[in-house]
Formats: sequence, C-alpha cells, structure tokens
Amino acid sequence: GAVVSQHPSWVICKSGTSVKIECRSLDFQATTMFWYRQFPKQSLMLMATSNEGSKATYEQGVEKDKFLINHASLTLSTLTVTSAHPEDSSFYICSARLISGRGSDEQYFGPGTRLTVT
Amino acid sequence: GQNIDQPTEMTATEGAIVQINCTYQTSGFNGLFWYQQHAGEAPTFLSYNVLDGLEEKGRFSSFLSRSKGYSYLLLKELQMKDSASYLCAIMDSNYQLIWGAGTKLIIKP
Repeated sequence: GAVVSQHPSWVICKSGTSVKIECRSLDFQATTMFWYRQFPKQSLMLMATSNEGSKATYEQGVEKDKFLINHASLTLSTLTVTSAHPEDSSFYICSARLISGRGSDEQYFGPGTRLTVT
Repeated sequence: GQNIDQPTEMTATEGAIVQINCTYQTSGFNGLFWYQQHAGEAPTFLSYNVLDGLEEKGRFSSFLSRSKGYSYLLLKELQMKDSASYLCAIMDSNYQLIWGAGTKLIIKP
C-alpha cells in the first residue's frame, strides 16, 4: 500500500531556533500534501494544504511566516517551524493525497513528528 | 512488522448499528485512536482508548482488547451524515502513529 514517511520522528530544539520536518510519499506521487497538528485531546488540526509547485494554502489562524511549507517535488513536502517557542511543542502529522486512475481519492498519513521546544 | 487491518468498505442502513473492526500488530502500544473523515475534509477525532474496555460517547462507542490486538468502533442509530471513512491509528512504543487504511462506510436509506 501507499506509504508516507516523516523525518525526524523526534526533535528537541531550543527556543528561537528553526526546525525542518520532512514528509515523503515513498511509493507514489502526491500533488497535494496536508500538514496537521495533533493537540492533547487528540484532535487533529489542519494547518495547511501543500500543493506541488505552488504556494501552500494556510488555514485561518495559522501563521504562514512561522510555519513555512515547501512542496518542491511530487514526493516531498517540508514544514519549517521558524523561531520555535515552547508553545509550538506538539505532534505534527502530514498526509499525502493519492488519486488513482480508477478515480479513488485517498489520504495516507505519516507517523508524525514530535517536536519539543525547550 | 507493524500492521493494522480494517475492512476496506462497509455498507449499512440508516437507523441501524454497524461495527467497524480494527486488528493490529505493533511494537508497543500507547493508545488507539479512531477518526472520522469526510471526503475532502480533515479527520475528526472520535475516540482514544488506552485501557481495555468499552468507551461510550453518544452514538459512538469504541472497544479495546490489548491482549487480542483488537478494537472496534460501534455506531448506533446511523444517520446519512455518518457516511465517511473511519480511520484506526495506533501510537506505538516510540509514540509514532501507525495508521490503518481506513474503512469507507456507506449508509443507505
């Protein structure tokens, strides 16, 4: 089946530094990838939709200058948390959209990246 | 290896009850999540089980048996709006999420 990976799995950084998280679709091409943040009550908040070759679409309330998204290829999207602060500590999950030739439209989720900002 | 199995698709009738099963084999266990996802929308959190037993929340209930590597999501009094994909996900010993492929639930009048 379709596999999505994220790197790193865990990252600890100091306040004020930037962290880059990668999301890769390993065995399919994804023109669209999504970035989510999982909150303590386990709900997933959609942060942005990443489209290959174009600017990401951010959800209301998400700072685009703080959460930089780049979707440079059909298999890779990156999320960079700039000038990270402790309140950015969270679990970040990406998903990749696969539209098959048979017309199915599926999302495949990555394992997540746990960010801790000290 | 790690894997999660859930049926690809299920069909049920409005007003009825449906049970969506999820079986898993993972390296460690730190909880099981159920999410609902309508086409084109972000997943909505339904439940989180970390202890064995049944958790009831309105029309939805989730059951977990860690010894059997088994969970189910029970939906009662089905409504047409319940037509969606239901995702089972396990948080493993490294606090990574392992996702099932999702079960597409079709509700018929």
